Amino acid sequence: QITLKESGPTLVKPTQTLTLTCTFSGFSLSTSGVGVGWIRQPPGKALEWLALIYWNDDKRYSPSLKSRLTITKDTSKNQVVLTMTNMDPVDTATYYCAHRLGVMPFDYWGQGTLVTVSS
Amino acid sequence: DIQMTQSPSSVSASVGDRVTITCRASQGISSWLAWYQQKPGKAPKLLIYAASSLQSGVPSRFSGSGSGTDFTLTISSLQPEDFATYYCQQANSFTFGPGTKVDIK
Repeated sequence: QITLKESGPTLVKPTQTLTLTCTFSGFSLSTSGVGVGWIRQPPGKALEWLALIYWNDDKRYSPSLKSRLTITKDTSKNQVVLTMTNMDPVDTATYYCAHRLGVMPFDYWGQGTLVTVSS
Repeated sequence: DIQMTQSPSSVSASVGDRVTITCRASQGISSWLAWYQQKPGKAPKLLIYAASSLQSGVPSRFSGSGSGTDFTLTISSLQPEDFATYYCQQANSFTFGPGTKVDIK
């Protein structure tokens, strides 16, 4: 049974760096073809893909946010970490992590964590 | 960058209605398209992958079609649990469409 869960601060100040952790079970990020991605959703708005890391440490980033994002994995801890620098109120959103296998879309999602950016 | 659009942005329908949602890519994406359903306060749920393949456990009233730039999601007979927002996603660039809200007429 695959599960993912996001954790991190619920409130960050403008200009700060956000660090979110996705802790998962039921699969390994050392298995060929496996990936974990991050997606966010501002309140009342659409989904936006942010970043993805694969089993072989290949990383992909949203072109519009690439300069602010870093994604890393800790295979031994079954965790993926996303950092986003220079946070702004427009970054207020629910942040999700999700599982991907091969060329499949994101088939398992975490419950999401709401991050508010405010001074 | 590939852009995804959806139409309509919202649709009001009744239980039992046939509902069709359209997704268009700004350039050809072959069959690299997925559809998700999202209910308020919940994570998205994968419905369709590779444009027309039904994800395991998804009711057969959901179907997808299309290739290249134009795609459709069809709900053949709308059920009460289907009132939600539906998103398409380009499966290679991971770009999502803006969503289509299906609500009760």
